[in-house]
Amino acid sequence: GAVVSQHPSWVICKSGTSVKIECRSLDFQATTMFWYRQFPKQSLMLMATSNEGSKATYEQGVEKDKFLINHASLTLSTLTVTSAHPEDSSFYICSARDAGPATNTEAFFGQGTRLTVV
Amino acid sequence: GENVEQHPSTLSVQEGDSAVIKCTYSDSASNYFPWYKQELGKRPQLIIDIRSNVGEKKDQRIAVTLNKTAKHFSLHITETQPEDSAVYFCAASPPSGGSYIPTFGRGTSLIVHP
Repeated sequence: GAVVSQHPSWVICKSGTSVKIECRSLDFQATTMFWYRQFPKQSLMLMATSNEGSKATYEQGVEKDKFLINHASLTLSTLTVTSAHPEDSSFYICSARDAGPATNTEAFFGQGTRLTVV
Repeated sequence: GENVEQHPSTLSVQEGDSAVIKCTYSDSASNYFPWYKQELGKRPQLIIDIRSNVGEKKDQRIAVTLNKTAKHFSLHITETQPEDSAVYFCAASPPSGGSYIPTFGRGTSLIVHP
C-alpha cells in the first residue's frame, strides 16, 4: 500500500518554542492531508484538513494561529505548533488520500509524532 | 456533520472467542466505512472497509456488516488471537465535493487473553 512518512517520530521541546512536523506521501500524490491529535486511550480528533495550494480548513476549537499548516506540494504538508506549552503535549498523526478519482478510498496514516513540551 | 458512536469502549475476550464491535453513524450520505487497528504507539492501519453498495465483506477472520437502513455497521473477529489485541476504530465518510473527511468513532480497546 501507499506510504506516508511523518517526521520526527518524537520531539521534546521547551515551553515557548515552536515545533514543525512534516508529513510526506512517498509514492503517491495527496491533494488532501489530514492532521489529527490523539490523547492517551482516546480517539483520533481531526484538527484540520490540509489542501494543496490553499488554506487549511480548521475544525472548531482549533487555533489556526497556533497550529500552522502548510501544504505547499502534492507530497508534503507541515504542521507547526507555535509557542508550544505543556498542554500541547500529545500524539499528532497525519493521514493522506491519493489524489486519484474522487471516490472514497483508504486514508494512509503517518507513524505519528509524540510531542512533549517541558 | 457526521457523528459516529462506537461500542464497547473496552472488550476483553479469551483466545479463540469471537469479538464484535459496533458503530452507528448519523449522516445517511456516508458511503464508505473503514476499520482501523492501532497498536500502542503506532499508526492506525486499515484492516477492512465496506462501501454502501454491499451489506457484508469478509477477509479471513475479519468481517464487517453494514445496515444502511439502521445506519450501523459492525466488525466481527473470529478465533481471536493475542496479537489481535489493539485499539480498533471505525469511521464513516460522507462524500464532500471531490474528497471525503472520515469521522472516527472513539475506539474499542480489544484485549485477547491467552
